[in-house]
Amino acid sequence: AQSVSQHNHHVILSEAASLELGCNYSYGGTVNLFWYVQYPGQHLQLLLKYFSGDPLVKGIKGFEAEFIKSKFSFNLRKPSVQWSDTAEYFCAVTPPGTGRRALTFGSGTRLQVQP
Amino acid sequence: IAGITQAPTSQILAAGRRMTLRCTQDMRHNAMYWYRQDLGLGLRLIHYSNTAGTTGKGEVPDGYSVSRANTDDFPLTLASAVPSQTSVYFCASSKEITDTQYFGPGTRLTVL
Repeated sequence: AQSVSQHNHHVILSEAASLELGCNYSYGGTVNLFWYVQYPGQHLQLLLKYFSGDPLVKGIKGFEAEFIKSKFSFNLRKPSVQWSDTAEYFCAVTPPGTGRRALTFGSGTRLQVQP
Repeated sequence: IAGITQAPTSQILAAGRRMTLRCTQDMRHNAMYWYRQDLGLGLRLIHYSNTAGTTGKGEVPDGYSVSRANTDDFPLTLASAVPSQTSVYFCASSKEITDTQYFGPGTRLTVL
């Protein structure tokens, strides 16, 4: 079945460490890609998105993601994490122009940043 | 302030009872969605609506129904709640079906 995979379920980092969260999808063809973040007790917010163009996408709060079509990946990165980045991160995918109904989410990665 | 509101914030419900979760958006978005969030499973789409007057089934539609009488409102109904429907429910909307989705604050539902 077509899906979105996030291989890191729980990541613990110290402040100032670098972050990379993996996301792979199995859809063929052209896709739209998203990373959402859910801070404790809050609803989902968009971090960044890729529709087309430069495969390196800059988002809010210093996050970026790189779309590598040959690897079906859209990994999220941040050079130096802060305690306030503690949250759950969701990768999501939707193929445009196919009538696909909505986003398919990965299972999420819980990031815990220790001060 | 533009956005999505959901009601109630949380609810404890006896099994077998009927429950409607409300969702309203004021962004004039065409598309609306209902997801449930369960630990380790991420968000799964229950039902969606491309535009007012139309609805469709998502990944996990069984036991749920929706209606879209107008652009702003997209209620989700559990006709006869079961414990497996204990979850956090998020409503979302987007301008069109493949655009960025904006999420509401969620409804935490417990079915006993």
